[in-house]
Amino acid sequence: EVQLVESGGGLVQPGRSLRLSCTTSEFTFGDYAMTWVRQAPGKGLEWVGFIRSKSYGGTTDYAASVKGRFSISRDDSKSVAYLQMNSLKTEDTAVYYCARETGGAVDSWGQGTLVTVSS
Amino acid sequence: QLVVTQSPSASASLGASVKLTCTLSSGHSSYAIAWHQQQPEKGPRYLMKVNSDGSHSKGDGIPDRFSGSSSGAERYLTISSLQSEDEADYYCQAWDTGIRVFGPGTKVTVL
Repeated sequence: EVQLVESGGGLVQPGRSLRLSCTTSEFTFGDYAMTWVRQAPGKGLEWVGFIRSKSYGGTTDYAASVKGRFSISRDDSKSVAYLQMNSLKTEDTAVYYCARETGGAVDSWGQGTLVTVSS
Repeated sequence: QLVVTQSPSASASLGASVKLTCTLSSGHSSYAIAWHQQQPEKGPRYLMKVNSDGSHSKGDGIPDRFSGSSSGAERYLTISSLQSEDEADYYCQAWDTGIRVFGPGTKVTVL
């Protein structure tokens, strides 16, 4: 069974940084694009960004709301994806999910990690 | 610009069927979408991918009660023989080069 486990969430002050990790198993990580999605309290799902597999250049794309502040990377040797979040704002408070993609469709989800941005 | 829209809510009786709609924006009627379920206080779960021709491929362990179909720019999720555990939010997801989008979700209530 595909496993994705997020970690690294917590309470952080506005303007500070945080790095989330997504540790995966039971599939060939390097073959897949990985996506980050967030959900603010009581709200719907919001796409944050994704990273392509190395076969497609390993490049990234981001939602306008986080572009320039967030960055996604991957370590295929460890089967881990990362979300580096800088210059955090209170509106970034959300549960952050990592997800696996197949051809653009998210087809597996992690359980999520809560990030709270507050002074 | 790729956008997907969904009705905010739907309801049906226990054992009945409900059909949810996801509508793709103009110029994107040939796009596939994915459906995801989020039960209360849980993370999302992938249900299926629905293509423009109505064919669909479900995730592992998704019951036969869940099916997908298409008509024009609309993609559907039909839940038959509604169970109490089907009460959840259902999101459609679409994608294009460099972008992924989620619909606002449809809250399904089992009466």
